[in-house]
Amino acid sequence: GIQVEQSPPDLILQEGANSTLRCNFSDSVNNLQWFHQNPWGQLINLFYIPSGTKQNGRLSATTVATERYSLLYISSSQTTDSGVYFCAVTDDKIIFGKGTRLHILP
Amino acid sequence: ETGVTQSPTHLIKTRGQQVTLRCSSQSGHNTVSWYQQALGQGPQFIFQYYREEENGRGNFPPRFSGLQFPNYSSELNVNALELDDSALYLCASSGTSGSLNEQFFGPGTRLTVL
Repeated sequence: GIQVEQSPPDLILQEGANSTLRCNFSDSVNNLQWFHQNPWGQLINLFYIPSGTKQNGRLSATTVATERYSLLYISSSQTTDSGVYFCAVTDDKIIFGKGTRLHILP
Repeated sequence: ETGVTQSPTHLIKTRGQQVTLRCSSQSGHNTVSWYQQALGQGPQFIFQYYREEENGRGNFPPRFSGLQFPNYSSELNVNALELDDSALYLCASSGTSGSLNEQFFGPGTRLTVL
């Protein structure tokens, strides 16, 4: 089945810093989503982005389907950005990566 | 628009017991998927229901079973609970309008098996 790898596994940044999270996948996929899981476990939709680039405020994402990767950019980090970021892809089932744990220091 | 809801929020069971978790899909959605998330791991796909039929299954044994009802709400049943079943169980719904297969998640049910 498809393998999904996220990097880095952990990231600690000062408030105001920018970051780039990466998601690599091993085969063609139909869909790709980015989620933020808050400390209470709720998965919050960030982007539905099977290809192309999207922006939403301080967050943006780019998926290059032909090269099998997606990037999530967070600019001017805030402490509320802390949590785990997951990408999930779909072939015949939905597969999540192991996540990137982001900790923003005040 | 009502989001995805799950009940109960927390549950404690003992090994060998059976449990039923419930999920109400987002308004307008007809597909429900269930996931198990162990501590420190990403969610693992259990199965998906579309129009009351199972429509895909992950690597989970048959003691994990489900139902979807005509109003598209869903249940996850787990029989003969094992200690390793302790996890956060997440339900997601998706629909046929807008971005197909975009998943929207409920807040989860945290199951502890003693």
